[in-house]
Amino acid sequence: AQSVTQLDSHVSVSEGTPVLLRCNYSSSYSPSLFWYVQHPNKGLQLLLKYTSAATLVKGINGFEAEFKKSETSFHLTKPSAHMSDAAEYFCVVSGGLNQAGTALIFGKGTTLSVSS
Amino acid sequence: DVKVTQSSRYLVKRTGEKVFLECVQDMDHENMFWYRQDPGLGLRLIYFSYDVKMKEKGDIPEGYSVSREKKERFSLILESASTNQTSMYLCASRGPYEQYFGPGTRLTVT
Repeated sequence: AQSVTQLDSHVSVSEGTPVLLRCNYSSSYSPSLFWYVQHPNKGLQLLLKYTSAATLVKGINGFEAEFKKSETSFHLTKPSAHMSDAAEYFCVVSGGLNQAGTALIFGKGTTLSVSS
Repeated sequence: DVKVTQSSRYLVKRTGEKVFLECVQDMDHENMFWYRQDPGLGLRLIYFSYDVKMKEKGDIPEGYSVSREKKERFSLILESASTNQTSMYLCASRGPYEQYFGPGTRLTVT
């Protein structure tokens, strides 16, 4: 079965400092992995996705994530936080190869706070 | 742009009422999903559908049913609403590369 664990429920950074949101996954085969962002009172937006191509994935708004199979990790990073990055972030794994696998399995979310 | 729309942004219902949440997508996708989102729990899959009139239970189907009579429309039904079904409900449609989410319906059951 597939699962995903976000290691921090809340991360606080200062504007201009690096962001690191940690995610570990469990999968019995090569997974598809995603990061979604949800701003307050807004819908979910796809930040980036990994689908077995390059292990370093670049997304929107300067975010990137690195797939590390040996560590079963897919951490999200950004070199310099901006106030507008304050939001909730979800690490997501694709559910599997059967019909149910078309669904996504979400982590519990990490709330990112950015202070000036 | 793919559009996934949900019939209501906010809804307030009484315990015991039958509640319909509607979702429509405009990209001819076969797969559609209903999730609920609760603080600290992320999104959890309620039901999904991979074709017209086809449906499968997700992780938390109890107290819910669904209907898919047309490809573009996927409805979530709360047969008898209860206070523990107060939540944010998100519909999604799956394309070849990613899932697209609707804006969500915040349902309050009093």
